[in-house]
Amino acid sequence: DQQVKQNSPSLSVQEGRISILNCDYTNSMFDYFLWYKKYPAEGPTFLISISSIKDKNEDGRFTVFLNKSAKHLSLHIVPSQPGDSAVYFCAASGGSQGNLIFGKGTKLSVKP
Amino acid sequence: GAGVSQSPSNKVTEKGKDVELRCDPISGHTALYWYRQSLGQGLEFLIYFQGNSAPDKSGLPSDRFSAERTGGSVSTLTIQRTQQEDSAVYLCASSSSGGSSYEQYFGPGTRLTVT
Repeated sequence: DQQVKQNSPSLSVQEGRISILNCDYTNSMFDYFLWYKKYPAEGPTFLISISSIKDKNEDGRFTVFLNKSAKHLSLHIVPSQPGDSAVYFCAASGGSQGNLIFGKGTKLSVKP
Repeated sequence: GAGVSQSPSNKVTEKGKDVELRCDPISGHTALYWYRQSLGQGLEFLIYFQGNSAPDKSGLPSDRFSAERTGGSVSTLTIQRTQQEDSAVYLCASSSSGGSSYEQYFGPGTRLTVT
């Protein structure tokens, strides 16, 4: 069973508009959430994270929102740029466990 | 500074052969992780090394998989008697410490194809 779910395999957005990528999780023990971006033939690169004690974290054009009661987080990118086109992975970890649990990813395409 | 490096970048092997994949973590990082990504799937955790502690092998899919980390730095993932379902991109990551709140930095991966 998937503990981290990204239900949208793909998303297409116009340049300059907002991109919203969603992620749901099932394990209430998760206390840290991360978003990674992956280009083809490259490893994932860290984008932004949020601790479970917060509900929002912002870094430039990227904002992550966490709704613990709904076990849901989202990544907002505004304004979206063509260079943002990549696969975005949501990941979670908890307690003393160091490894990350990843979703299957959402492929974002930002059209000029 | 140098990031996480992995070798080889691509490996094609015949079913039944053994393969070794190498990972050089970022210097000074005490935690090292192996993941794999099969086609259309997310990243699947395999094994985790933290300092001198016994590794967390809970993600290894079978006893054909093993990994070691020598001198707290370089790690080798070995797959014995490879099967076609082992075909995937194998990714290594390191972080400055273990625990849940430390970002992991990934290498470019090794694409393994078992024919």
